[in-house]
Amino acid sequence: DARVTQTPRDKVTEMGQEVTMRCQPILGHNTVFWYRQTMMQGLELLAYFRNRAPLDDSGMPKDRFSAEMPDATLATLKIQPSEPRDSAVYFCASGTGTGKDTQYFGPGTRLTVL
Amino acid sequence: LAKTTQPISMDSYEGQEVNITCSHNNIATNDYITWYQQFPSQGPRFIIQGYKTKVTNEVASLFIPADRKSSTLSLPRVSLSDTAVYYCLVSGPNAGKSTFGDGTTLTVKP
Repeated sequence: DARVTQTPRDKVTEMGQEVTMRCQPILGHNTVFWYRQTMMQGLELLAYFRNRAPLDDSGMPKDRFSAEMPDATLATLKIQPSEPRDSAVYFCASGTGTGKDTQYFGPGTRLTVL
Repeated sequence: LAKTTQPISMDSYEGQEVNITCSHNNIATNDYITWYQQFPSQGPRFIIQGYKTKVTNEVASLFIPADRKSSTLSLPRVSLSDTAVYYCLVSGPNAGKSTFGDGTTLTVKP
């Protein structure tokens, strides 16, 4: 049963520290999405990639967030420096990139910035 | 982007049929409608997808009228384990920038 994996599952850090979240999409999927979920804002799309190229990252605060896909099996989301308002659950999802695309979500990374 | 509107919450009892409607007035010709379910501390999970008319699978049915400006997720005979948040998502041919709405929190009571 193919699944999206994310690491770490939980991360507690102090303000100002760098945070790196990793995602392994389902093998063969060519589209990767990064979402952030909070009680106040719900599910927000931060960025998405197709064939490892970033197609849209307009949802990300550019000054501190960056997303990359070093290879087809790894997507990363970095926050530097982190701030308390970044506390949220970050989800990665992968898909096949068509109009009928189903997004398969990972378990999420719960980030707490103190 | 097709904006979606759903009721914030719904209550039901075990064994009842639940219908959740989503409005998407500015849906584009090539957009698909997909419904997801999310339990606490988990990522959203695919339930059903459709383009027009009716789609049925082992867990739900999806009704889409001819004008496609809304869709209704139907859950037959819900159980306590169906308590979750349900999202409808409208997305285009390139799986591009699709936006999850606020979702509907369904609470199933015994």
